Amino acid sequence: TQLLEQSPQFLSIQEGENLTVYCNSSSVFSSLQWYRQEPGEGPVLLVTVVTGGEVKKLKRLTFQFGDARKDSSLHITAAQPGDTGLYLCAGVGANYKLSFGAGTTVTVRA
Amino acid sequence: DAMVIQNPRYQVTQFGKPVTLSCSQTLNHNVMYWYQQKSSQAPKLLFHYYDKDFNNEADTPDNFQSRRPNTSFCFLDIRSPGLGDAAMYLCATSRGVGRGKEVEQFFGPGTRLTVL
Repeated sequence: TQLLEQSPQFLSIQEGENLTVYCNSSSVFSSLQWYRQEPGEGPVLLVTVVTGGEVKKLKRLTFQFGDARKDSSLHITAAQPGDTGLYLCAGVGANYKLSFGAGTTVTVRA
Repeated sequence: DAMVIQNPRYQVTQFGKPVTLSCSQTLNHNVMYWYQQKSSQAPKLLFHYYDKDFNNEADTPDNFQSRRPNTSFCFLDIRSPGLGDAAMYLCATSRGVGRGKEVEQFFGPGTRLTVL
C-alpha cells in the first residue's frame, strides 16, 4: 500500500488570505491528482501533475509536483468562500490505482 | 454533457435487507470503479472493472458484489447491509489504465446509504 499523508487535516482562514496544503509520501508516483469535494457530492478533478518539478496553475490555485515525484503541494492565493471544501490528493502507483490521502478540510470565512 | 450518474442519491435500507446502487456513464470510458467513503475519510476502493474484467480489492468484504452488464452501467450490490456499511458510495470512471490523463477519474455525485 502506498500511503499519502496530507497536512494539515483542517484549515480555517479568512477570505483574502493564502493557504498551502501538503501531500507527502515515501513512495514514487507516476502522476498525482488533486480533487476538491464539496459536502454531499463526489470529488471533482482539479489537476493532474506528471513530471517531477512540474508546476501547474489554475486561476488562483498553484500545484507543484516534487522533483522526486513523492510529494505535492496546493497553494491558493487570496482564498474565497467558494474555495471551501475537502481537498484530496491521489497518487497513481505502479498498479495504476489511485492512493488517496485522508484529505484537508478547508474553510474560508467571509 | 458527458457525465457519471448515480441513482438513487439517497438510499435507506434495513439491516440485512439487500440493496443495489446504480451507476451509469456517458463518457464511454473503459474503467469503472466503486468506492466507499465514510465521514471525513478518503474514498476507499472496493473494486473496479476494466471493460468486462472484474478486479476485487483484497480487503473488500464478500458482502459487496458488482455487476457491469455493458460499457455504460455498473451496479453495486450489498447482500446483507450492516450498520457499518452506512456510507457514501462513489462511482468513478477513467479512460483506461496507465499514467497521466489516461487514469484521471471522473466521479459521480455519490449515493448516501443509511442502514436502519
